[in-house]
Formats: sequence, structure tokens, C-alpha cells
Amino acid sequence: QVTLKESGPVLVKPTETLTLTCTVSGFSLSDPGLGVTWIRQPPGKALEWLAHIFSNDDKAYSTSLRRRLTISSDTSKSQVVLSLTNMDPVDTATYYCARIPKYSSSLYYFDYWGQGTLVTVSS
Amino acid sequence: QSVLTQPPSVSAAPGQKVTISCSGGSSNIGNNYVAWYQQLPGTAPKLLIYENNKRPSGIPDRFSGSKSGTSATLGITGLQTGDEADYYCGTWDSSLSAGGIFGGGTKLTVL
Repeated sequence: QVTLKESGPVLVKPTETLTLTCTVSGFSLSDPGLGVTWIRQPPGKALEWLAHIFSNDDKAYSTSLRRRLTISSDTSKSQVVLSLTNMDPVDTATYYCARIPKYSSSLYYFDYWGQGTLVTVSS
Repeated sequence: QSVLTQPPSVSAAPGQKVTISCSGGSSNIGNNYVAWYQQLPGTAPKLLIYENNKRPSGIPDRFSGSKSGTSATLGITGLQTGDEADYYCGTWDSSLSAGGIFGGGTKLTVL
């Protein structure tokens, strides 16, 4: 059974760095062709793709947030970590991690999602 | 503003059929496969359609997907009140700003 679970702070202050962890089970982060992505959703708004990492360590970032984002994985812990620097109230959102089942830019989709974690940015 | 364009809302009566459009360009829908996600109120999105028209195990055949050129369409037949949700299309954008992209979402109301 594939599951993903996000964890991290529920409240961060402006200018702080957010660090979120996605813990996976039911598959390995070293399985060929598999990846994990981070997606966020501000309250009442649409989904926004943030970044992904694949088992071959291929990484990609949202162009608009590239300078603030870092994604990494620890296969021994089955965890993918996302950090977002210089947090601002506009970064308030539910952050999801999801699995990418195939290493292909033409066939890009997310088959399993975590439940999401709401992060609020406020002083 | 999302790269992919969806109508903000659609509605239909129970038992009827509805379609949701997703319009993009040559760098995304035109050259890559499209996926659709259903987000029920207060829950995480769930994969509904992948590779333009394939359904994951457990998704009923009331849900269908198609693609033509730079647009994609999600169809839902035999509408049920439980289908009330937000629906998002998504794909990869191969432009200089390469990355995953989503539509702005469509709120389906079953009257």
C-alpha cells in the first residue's frame, strides 16, 4: 500500500525558512523511474507545482520560486525534504507531496498524494 | 494566473452529463499527455485520468478523458451528488520555464 505523509511546522514567521518532510511507504525512493513532487494550494485557490526529485536525483523547480526552493531525498529514511526560504504571508498554503510513477516529461502525473499539511505564515 | 485555462464552474443535474475543458499550448498539452484530478471538499486531490484517457484502478467508467491539439476535455456521465468537487487538469510544460503545471480548477455543482 503506497502512502505519503507530510510533516512540518504549522506556523512560521515571515523571513523564516520552511522545512517540510514527506515520508513515503509502499515504495522505495530508489526504485527506478519513480519520483516525488511537492505541490501547494493557498486557501481557496488552485494547485501550484513546486518541485520534484527522481530516484536518479534528477530535480526540477518552479521557475518563479527556484531561488527559494531546495528539494532533497534520503532513501534510507524514505523521506523527501523541501525547504522554502524567506517565507511570506503569501506562502500560506496547504502543502502536498505526491508520487510520480514514471520518469517522463511527456507523461507527467501524480498517482498517490499525501493528505497535505497547512502552513500559515504570520508574525 | 494558470498556464492551463479551465472554466471556473460548471453545473448539471443528477444523472446528466458534463464536460470540463482545459486549454493550453504547444509547449504543454500540444506535446505532452494530460492528467485530471478530483478534489472533494476538504481533501487532497485524487488522480482521475492519466495519459489523456486512461483511468486508474477503481475509477468508474463514468469518467473519461480526451485530447485534441492543445486542448483536453474531462467528461462525466451519470452525475451523482458525490461528484461535486473541484477538478484540475495537469501536465508538463516543456518551455524555457519547464515544470509541472495545472489549470485553475473547475468547480462542479450537481444541482
